[in-house]
Amino acid sequence: AQSVTQPDIHITVSEGASLELRCNYSYGATPYLFWYVQSPGQGLQLLLKYFSGDTLVQGIKGFEAEFKRSQSSFNLRKPSVHWSDAAEYFCAVGDNFNKFYFGSGTKLNVKP
Amino acid sequence: DVKVTQSSRYLVKRTGEKVFLECVQDMDHENMFWYRQDPGLGLRLIYFSYDVKMKEKGDIPEGYSVSREKKERFSLILESASTNQTSMYLCASSLTSATGELFFGEGSRLTVL
Repeated sequence: AQSVTQPDIHITVSEGASLELRCNYSYGATPYLFWYVQSPGQGLQLLLKYFSGDTLVQGIKGFEAEFKRSQSSFNLRKPSVHWSDAAEYFCAVGDNFNKFYFGSGTKLNVKP
Repeated sequence: DVKVTQSSRYLVKRTGEKVFLECVQDMDHENMFWYRQDPGLGLRLIYFSYDVKMKEKGDIPEGYSVSREKKERFSLILESASTNQTSMYLCASSLTSATGELFFGEGSRLTVL
């Protein structure tokens, strides 16, 4: 069965520091992978997505993610975090039947 | 700009009441979804619909039903609300394609007393 694991529930980083959020998935075929961000009280906004091709994908707000098939991972990174990046981040995998499976989320706090 | 609109941002209902959550999208998307979001559990799929009058159960359909009479509108119905249905409900839509991403509404926070 498809599943997504985000092992970090909360992460705190200092403003200006680098960030990496972990995501591992379980899926039998070629995965379609997504990262979404949710600001407090809001819906989810797409940061980036991977379907095929280059394993390093660029997204909005300076985020990038790398697909590693051998590790079943799709980790999200940002070289320098801004206070406005404080939010909850969700990794998701989509299947060929237009269904999506989400991880439990990682809450990011940013220290001044 | 794409838009998924959930009619109620905040609702407070009593146990046993019938509750309707409405969702409208203006992108002519075939697929629409209802998710429930709870702390530490992420998003769990309640129901989805891939065409008008078509619906399929997700992972947690018990206690819920849905209606899709028009392509742009997808309603979630709680026939008899219970306190364990207090949650954030998120509606989303997508195109029918293997690469179709989800577009989300802002959510409806339901409290059942």
